[in-house]
Amino acid sequence: AQTVTQSQPEMSVQEAETVTLSCTYDTSESDYYLFWYKQPPSRQMILVIRQEAYKQQNATENRFSVNFQKAAKSFSLKISDSQLGDAAMYFCAYRRDSGGGADGLTFGKGTHLIIQP
Amino acid sequence: GAGVSQTPSNKVTEKGKYVELRCDPISGHTALYWYRQSLGQGPEFLIYFQGTGAADDSGLPNDRFFAVRPEGSVSTLKIQRTERGDSAVYLCASSRDGYNEQFFGPGTRLTVL
Repeated sequence: AQTVTQSQPEMSVQEAETVTLSCTYDTSESDYYLFWYKQPPSRQMILVIRQEAYKQQNATENRFSVNFQKAAKSFSLKISDSQLGDAAMYFCAYRRDSGGGADGLTFGKGTHLIIQP
Repeated sequence: GAGVSQTPSNKVTEKGKYVELRCDPISGHTALYWYRQSLGQGPEFLIYFQGTGAADDSGLPNDRFFAVRPEGSVSTLKIQRTERGDSAVYLCASSRDGYNEQFFGPGTRLTVL
């Protein structure tokens, strides 16, 4: 079974600075997807960024980028120019690419990101 | 046009009671997922529907949990003989076809006293 590990329960960063959130995962599959989700106090999970395992190029979405190291099974999220609105729980998630049908997501325990004004 | 909605937003019940949690997916989305998020944890997958059928129910913890999606749209998660350990936020997500992004609802917070 696949597992996702987020070793940082909480991170704090000054507004406008850069922060990196760590994620490692374990799988025997070669085809899969990785995601970072943001969960503010409203509880609604919001997709931040997505990476297909077959793509070597790291995904970027505006101020958000990932460092995907497939051999090391590492998938970190970098947030540049941190803003107060970035404060939330961040979850790393994995989904197997089963071909015949889509699977549910496997989530890590999350990292609580605090933005200091 | 709205996102995924879930009702009720909060539910308090007593141990041993039966509860139903409802999910309205985004219109036209064929895939629907249920997750359970316990305090301080990430969401755990419960069940996945493709249309009306449960394509994967491997995450349901025991036979007290059951979910239906009779017309391929609205889904109901049913929990019988609730236990205090069932207290959690139950999240629903839908996807256009199961391969694309999952859009999450705001969840139902279930508290079993």
